[in-house]
Amino acid sequence: DAGITQSPRHKVTETGTPVTLRCHQTENHRYMYWYRQDPGHGLRLIHYSYGVKDTDKGEVSDGYSVSRSKTEDFLLTLESATSSQTSVYFCAISDPRTGGLYNEQFFGPGTRLTVL
Amino acid sequence: AQSVTQLGSHVSVSEGALVLLRCNYSSSVPPYLFWYVQYPNQGLQLLLKYTTGATLVKGINGFEAEFKKSETSFHLTKPSAHMSDAAEYFCAVSERDSSYKLIFGSGTRLLVRP
Repeated sequence: DAGITQSPRHKVTETGTPVTLRCHQTENHRYMYWYRQDPGHGLRLIHYSYGVKDTDKGEVSDGYSVSRSKTEDFLLTLESATSSQTSVYFCAISDPRTGGLYNEQFFGPGTRLTVL
Repeated sequence: AQSVTQLGSHVSVSEGALVLLRCNYSSSVPPYLFWYVQYPNQGLQLLLKYTTGATLVKGINGFEAEFKKSETSFHLTKPSAHMSDAAEYFCAVSERDSSYKLIFGSGTRLLVRP
């Protein structure tokens, strides 16, 4: 299995509070992604990173920000959590140098976030 | 914009029966195609992928998928279902460019009856 960990694995928070989720990889992969998974929607891309300090928005980026100061860490921040952000969040990695030319992505175990 | 359609949010089969999960994409230029599986409370695991070459692709756990350009489809099959195949399956596509982004279908939950 790809070396991807996510923390925390579960979190319950209140509306209006900031929340930061962490994705850590030991594979030295260049690309990192944050998705949210909701019933009936599959996985939707929030933000992604193509290198240290290089990030871009996905299709559902409103209310989220990201940072990548080191290759191995990709942080997702909910600036002011809302109930609509209750979801399961997945981190993924890929790298064109290691078979990712076709964008094969490897996924972390997920973080279940509940916003009350 | 590219989109992926998985027909049937739930598919139920008997153990030993054929599994057929459907996936269609919208692009006129064939993208790269993937099937992922998600077991309960876990992340996604790659089952198989089509990039170029042979249109019938074999994956792990006895699954295979056939790319049909004329039908813009990439359906997933397994000749004989096993109880351990019960999971959610996602079809995904990636454009043949440098964006390295995946677009996922909404998923199909496979139920296997004893």
